[in-house]
Amino acid sequence: DAKTTQPNSMESNEEEPVHLPCNHSTISGTDYIHWYRQLPSQGPEYVIHGLTSNVNNRMASLAIAEDRKSSTLILHRATLRDAAVYYCILEAVQGAQKLVFGQGTRLTINP
Amino acid sequence: GAGVSQSPSNKVTEKGKDVELRCDPISGHTALYWYRQSLGQGLEFLIYFQGNSAPDKSGLPSDRFSAERTGGSVSTLTIQRTQQEDSAVYLCASSFSDREDNQPQHFGDGTRLSIL
Repeated sequence: DAKTTQPNSMESNEEEPVHLPCNHSTISGTDYIHWYRQLPSQGPEYVIHGLTSNVNNRMASLAIAEDRKSSTLILHRATLRDAAVYYCILEAVQGAQKLVFGQGTRLTINP
Repeated sequence: GAGVSQSPSNKVTEKGKDVELRCDPISGHTALYWYRQSLGQGLEFLIYFQGNSAPDKSGLPSDRFSAERTGGSVSTLTIQRTQQEDSAVYLCASSFSDREDNQPQHFGDGTRLSIL
């Protein structure tokens, strides 16, 4: 399984943008980049995914480097509810695949 | 609509007892996954079902662990002769089977299992 590298923790302030980085230098051409987050005492929650182009949805934006060896999850205006562990995961395009979770980034939001 | 439902939400049992954990996936989702999350550890994959068959059981840690799925819906994870190291949160997820569009997995909130 292709591996990802994320900072262990990050801190930001409420109502400010947050940029969560992820390195995946061994990504293959058929790997999608997925982001999930896990709030305290809950199961993981899907955030966003992409292959090559930048993606936007109601929760966040995903910026993918041109060489696809890194990506950044962008929360445009953080709220206290965004405090969670964020996981960057590579998933091959074909067939249902298990998710391989790393340690993720623990995001703290200050009021 | 209803999400993935897991029961019980908490289970405390004595070492050596058998336990059954239940997962009700989202209606229409043919793929179902079990994961577990131990204290201070990341999430680890246990088993994947497509319909009622399990093409990937590679994450089951020992032969004390088994799972089944009936009617392409509800799944049960059984742990026999529980050990203290089995204490963890057991998470279930489901998704549509068409993976060409990389459909996301939807998780339940898990069963917290404590072995005394």
